[in-house]
Amino acid sequence: KQEVTQIPAALSVPEGENLVLNCSFTDSAIYNLQWFRQDPGKGLTSLLLIQSSQREQTSGRLNASLDKSSGRSTLYIAASQPGDSATYLCAVRLSSNTGKLIFGQGTTLQVKP
Amino acid sequence: DAGITQSPRHKVTETGTPVTLRCHQTENHRYMYWYRQDPGHGLRLIHYSYGVKDTDKGEVSDGYSVSRSKTEDFLLTLESATSSQTSVYFCAISELGRLGPYEQYFGPGTRLTVT
Repeated sequence: KQEVTQIPAALSVPEGENLVLNCSFTDSAIYNLQWFRQDPGKGLTSLLLIQSSQREQTSGRLNASLDKSSGRSTLYIAASQPGDSATYLCAVRLSSNTGKLIFGQGTTLQVKP
Repeated sequence: DAGITQSPRHKVTETGTPVTLRCHQTENHRYMYWYRQDPGHGLRLIHYSYGVKDTDKGEVSDGYSVSRSKTEDFLLTLESATSSQTSVYFCAISELGRLGPYEQYFGPGTRLTVT
């Protein structure tokens, strides 16, 4: 059974710092991996999608990498800002056509001014 | 929220009553999903749909049923609500791309409290 783990559960950093969020999964047979952001009381916003054949994806200050063989993905946030404060979730799509996602429990990030 | 609305946004109901949550999309996406989000469990898939009248179970489907009579609407019904179904419910949509179902977009959520 696929399990997704995100460590740490919470992270607090000063503004301007570069940081890395970690996501690991137990079964390397994934279709793709998606990173989301969730603000308190809100829905999920898709940040990046990495196909299983890709190594990384970039969007602005965000860079996500994928190492399928080791079951790991990282989300790199450059020059963090207080507006980046949120919970970040990773989810893996199983090797199927259904699009079902298995989520990690998230890392709650606080960026202090 | 990518053209996805959920109704109601908040609901309080009593144990044993039926409850229906609605997800409406304007994107004409083929795939629709219902998740619940709970502290300590994260997001878990309840049911999903891969077309009109085509649905299947997720990992926590007991006590829930779904229906999809139109592309734009996906209904989640709690036949007889229990306190364990107190949660935040999210709807999501995705479309079928060349490589399979593409990234998912989520609605704003419905907060359900069962007393």
